[in-house]
Order: sequence, then structure tokens, then C-alpha cells
Amino acid sequence: GALVYQYPRRTICKSGTSMRMECQAVGFQATSVAWYRQSPQKTFELIALSTVNSAIKYEQNFTQEKFPISHPNLSFSSMTVLNAYLEDRGLYLCGARGPGQGYTLYFGAGTRLSVL
Amino acid sequence: GEQVEQLPSILRVQEGSSASINCSYEDSASNYFPWYKQEPGENPKLIIDIRSNMERKQIQELIVLLDKKAKRFSLHITDTQPGDSAMYFCAAANQGGSAKLIFGEGTKLTVSS
Repeated sequence: GALVYQYPRRTICKSGTSMRMECQAVGFQATSVAWYRQSPQKTFELIALSTVNSAIKYEQNFTQEKFPISHPNLSFSSMTVLNAYLEDRGLYLCGARGPGQGYTLYFGAGTRLSVL
Repeated sequence: GEQVEQLPSILRVQEGSSASINCSYEDSASNYFPWYKQEPGENPKLIIDIRSNMERKQIQELIVLLDKKAKRFSLHITDTQPGDSAMYFCAAANQGGSAKLIFGEGTKLTVSS
């Protein structure tokens, strides 16, 4: 079956430092990966959408300079939160889909970021 | 626009009764509508979805309805159990090949016994 592994599950970083999270698709080709953030008491905000062979598209309020994303192949994507501050804390989720998976978006377990 | 509105934000029901959550969307090109259940500390899990070529879909106690004309869709949980207590999120997407989902604000469902 299709699975998405995301790691780390939890991380704590000092204010102003950066942290990287990774997403691995297993059992399917992740042609499209979306990164979301769920801030405390909020819904899921789309950060950016990465489709193989296309430029990564960032949503309003999110930039490549702050959340650089790499999607080098059909099974892996990573995102870094640069210079993390209190407002960056939350649950970060990667969702992936690919050909043969229909419309289903498979989510990783999420990376919960705390900032001290 | 791309907003998805979800109501109610909080829903409390008695065990055995039905629970209904309603969503509306703005983008008339949306053609895929999944529902996710999120338990505390966990990632959201897909529980049921419906595509624009359908008006109704049922998986066991879960029923989703889609009214494309009104741009509304809803989730109905029949015979609710305490284990159904969780956050529920609706979402909408234009599945032109991307993974972009627009989520509703979520509904906190509490089923009391």
C-alpha cells in the first residue's frame, strides 16, 4: 500500500535556528507533494506545492527564503524552516500523491515543531 | 476564491445519535472533496471522500453528500460512538494533477455516552 513517512516526529529548536524535516513516499511515486502547517487551534495552511518537473509554488505568506523545499525525486521531499521563531511552531505535514493513487492525498505523520 | 467554510466548529452529540458537518466551497472547478479525522496529537487520516461525478457516498456509518449546484458538501455520521470523537476537516481540490487541498476550519466532535 501507499505510505508516507515523515521525520522527525517532534523537534525542538532554539529561536533563530533552523530545522529540516523530511518526507519519504513508499509504494508509489510522489509526483506531487504539498507541505502544510497546522498552527495551534487552527486549520491546515498550505505552505507550498511541489510538482515534479514544475517550479515549487509558494502560497501567500510563505516564501522560499523562509521555507526552502527540495523535491529531488519521486520518493523524497524535504522542507527546512529557517530562523524559526515562536510563530513558526505547529504541526508540519507533508502530503503526497501520484499516478495510480487516484485523487487520494496521503499524509505523513507530521513533524511537531516547538521553538524555545 | 479558494476558501472552504466548515460549520459547526464545535459539535456535541449523544452516543447513538447522528452528527452532521457542513462545508461550502467557492471554487466551482473543485472536483474532489475528502474528509479527514484527526485525533489529538496525530496526523489527519482520510476517512471518506467524494468526487464531483457523485452526489452521495456511504462507507459504513459515514455518509457524504455533494451538491455541486450549491457548492456544498456534508458529512453525516450515523450511530455515533465515543470513538468518533475527534477533529474533522473537510477539504476541496481541483484535481488537475496537483496535491493542493484547501481545508475547512475543522469541527470538534464530542460524542458522550
